[in-house]
Amino acid sequence: ETGVTQTPRHLVMGMTNKKSLKCEQHLGHNAMYWYKQSAKKPLELMFVYSLEERVENNSVPSRFSPECPNSSHLFLHLHTLQPEDSALYLCASSQDMGNTEAFFGQGTRLTVV
Amino acid sequence: AQSVTQLGSHVSVSEGALVLLRCNYSSSVPPYLFWYVQYPNQGLQLLLKYTSAATLVKGINGFEAEFKKSETSFHLTKPSAHMSDAAEYFCAVSDRGSGNTGKLIFGQGTTLQVKP
Repeated sequence: ETGVTQTPRHLVMGMTNKKSLKCEQHLGHNAMYWYKQSAKKPLELMFVYSLEERVENNSVPSRFSPECPNSSHLFLHLHTLQPEDSALYLCASSQDMGNTEAFFGQGTRLTVV
Repeated sequence: AQSVTQLGSHVSVSEGALVLLRCNYSSSVPPYLFWYVQYPNQGLQLLLKYTSAATLVKGINGFEAEFKKSETSFHLTKPSAHMSDAAEYFCAVSDRGSGNTGKLIFGQGTTLQVKP
């Protein structure tokens, strides 16, 4: 148990579907992150939220839409994805932005068909 | 810009042998450095981190890493490999400058295989 829970663990969706990934942290942290892990590529930061405000959008296409309704929850809304978006999506949290330890969830394995 | 290079995408050792996973970084400011481990179908777990205190950092599961500024390296070692160490290992760097968002820059990862 890492304190960061992601649901669902696995998701298969068509290119015309709309789905959402959910992340919940039980650690009282103020910063939350979405990372993408594709095969044969380094993990890539997608979004950073601090105290529910987005502070970084790492040139992510608009078909990915994050939402942070409170400091414990982070969503990634997906629509009209492409097969190359298939990857493991990892959520992480840290006490604050900056140089503190990030705790990762187990990830959502997304397959776009 | 910061970057991380992990030398060797696959490392194979025998059980009981020394584990050495290499990581070199590039950073224009003094960095924070991390090693994470990922088991199959799992998220990332922090093994250890360097944040400017002692240059030799001890982590969980018997792992340690040494920060060498002159070599811009942060190699991960373990004296004796165990079968349960088989996993993928990631080195990461974070900027300690002002305005830092906590963004981690990861290396490509090294898969450690442990042979009986």
